Formats: sequence, structure tokens, C-alpha cells
Amino acid sequence: GNSVTQMEGPVTLSEEAFLTINCTYTATGYPSLFWYVQYPGEGLQLLLKATKADDKGSNKGFEATYRKETTSFHLEKGSVQVSDSAVYFCALRRDDYKLSFGAGTTVTVRA
Amino acid sequence: SQTIHQWPATLVQPVGSPLSLECTVEGTSNPNLYWYRQAAGRGLQLLFYSVGIGQISSEVPQNLSASRPQDRQFILSSKKLLLSDSGFYLCASLQGLGGYTFGSGTRLTVV
Repeated sequence: GNSVTQMEGPVTLSEEAFLTINCTYTATGYPSLFWYVQYPGEGLQLLLKATKADDKGSNKGFEATYRKETTSFHLEKGSVQVSDSAVYFCALRRDDYKLSFGAGTTVTVRA
Repeated sequence: SQTIHQWPATLVQPVGSPLSLECTVEGTSNPNLYWYRQAAGRGLQLLFYSVGIGQISSEVPQNLSASRPQDRQFILSSKKLLLSDSGFYLCASLQGLGGYTFGSGTRLTVV
């Protein structure tokens, strides 16, 4: 079946530090992959996505590359800010267009 | 663009009481609608989805039910809440091949 395994948190960083959140997936075929972000008190927002192998999604300084050979979609940001504090979810879109989510990683950035 | 309204934002209910969470969608017609739940320390789990009025499919067996009385209205209900029903409930909409739009969620605490 389709599933997503995401690095467990919580992760606490200082401002301007480098952030990596690991995400690997199991799927039949080649699903589209997503990172969603949930800021405190808000719903999920799409952060970035990639629809095929070697695609790189990017937004707000975050990047993730769809790696078919390692079945991974790790999220990275070179210099985090306090405003990046949120919960990050890795997800894949199944053939029936439903989303399968990872457990979420809580990131806290300290000033 | 689509907008999803969910209410209430937070809810505290005693065990055995009924539940009704409402989700309405604006800016689209005939969307697929979804209810997801995030239990403490766990990822988002798909509970129900609907492809049209009166059409409900359940992903997992549980104490909850869903209904879609109108094209842009999706309701999550329970006759008697359990402690294990506590969690963060998100409504989502999918229009065609586009991305998902999520509501801001309802945090339910069953006491």
C-alpha cells in the first residue's frame, strides 16, 4: 500500500540554522509528493510539491527533491526564521487522489 | 479560489454527548470533500470522503459518521462521543485535478 514515513520531532533550532526533515515513501507507481505546513491555530497549507522523479519543489526558501531511487522527498531550508515555527507534513497523493500523510514534524525556531 | 469554513475552532464535549462539525466550501462546485483527523502524536488519517450529495465512503471503522446534504456542505457527526474521538479534525476539498484546500480545523477534546 501507499504510506509515508516522516522524521519524528520535535525539532528545535536557532534562527539562521539549517533545517532538514526526512521523508520517505512507499507506493505503487509514481505518486505526486507534497509538503504541507500547519502554522499555530491554522489549517494545512500547501508548501511545495513535486509530481515526477527529479522534480524539485520550492517555496518560501524551502526545497524538496523527488528522489525515485531512494524513495525520498526530504525538506530543506538553509536559514530558518522564527516565523517558520510550525508543523510540517509530508504527503503523497494516491491514484484515487486521496492523500496519505506522514505523522508530522513540529519545528520550533528560537530567536 | 476555494475557501473552506469550519466551525467551531475548538470544542470540549463530555463522553457520551453528541457531535456535529460542519464544513462548507465556497468558490467551487461539485468538489470531492474529505474529513481527516489528527490524533495526538499521530499523523492525519482520512476518515470519510464524498464525491457528491448523499455519497459517503468511510476509510476506517469508527464511532463517527458523515453526511453531505448539499453540494458544498459536509458534516461530521457522532451520537455518543468516546475519549478516543479527541483530536484535530480537518475538512478538505479537491476540485478536479487541482490541489487540496484545507479548512482551519476543529480541535475536539472529549472529557
